[in-house]
Amino acid sequence: EVQLVESGGALVQPGGSLRVSCAVSGFTFSSYAMSWVRQAPGKGLEWVSGIGGNGYSTYYADSVKGRFTISRDNSKNTLFLQMNSLRAEDTAVYYCAKTRDYQHVDPVFDNWGQGTLITVSS
Amino acid sequence: DIQMTQSPSSLSASMGDRVTITCRASQTISNYLNWYQQKPGKAPKFLIYAASILESGVPSRFSGSGSGTDFTLTISSLQPEDVATYYCQQSYSTSVTFGQGTRLEIK
Repeated sequence: EVQLVESGGALVQPGGSLRVSCAVSGFTFSSYAMSWVRQAPGKGLEWVSGIGGNGYSTYYADSVKGRFTISRDNSKNTLFLQMNSLRAEDTAVYYCAKTRDYQHVDPVFDNWGQGTLITVSS
Repeated sequence: DIQMTQSPSSLSASMGDRVTITCRASQTISNYLNWYQQKPGKAPKFLIYAASILESGVPSRFSGSGSGTDFTLTISSLQPEDVATYYCQQSYSTSVTFGQGTRLEIK
């Protein structure tokens, strides 16, 4: 059974930093691209960032480019999102999502974690 | 970025009704269109990829169609468990975008 479990959500002050993680099991992690998708309270889904199976290719939404960094540790079956210079508008539930393919090409999200809440507020 | 626009934004229908949700892309995306279902307080669930291919385990009352810029998700006979918000998503571009969602309720 595929499982994705996010952790690291917290209350953070504006301008602060936070790293969230997604531990996966039930599939060969290194064979699949992964993404982070967020959902602000009461709002729709917004793709944040994606990474290829080998970790070398990374992609970002314009709204987070230069502030967020996606990475993965294939030896530990874990996906990360390092978030710097956080803003109030980054407040959201952050989901990790598995894609169907090795590269972030035609990214179709076939499995999702339960999400972790990040609140940016003073 | 490719903009995805869903209509309607909300919909109320009776059990057994045929329900159709539309998704329009701001440029042609061939058939790189996927659909997700999200129930309140839950993570999204993957339903359909490549515009019309049903994910394994998804009830056959769900179907998708379309190509180019215009797509539809159809539920042939609405069931109580279908109450949810539905999102389309384009995977034509590596800069992924979702529609704003369609909230489906039972009348």
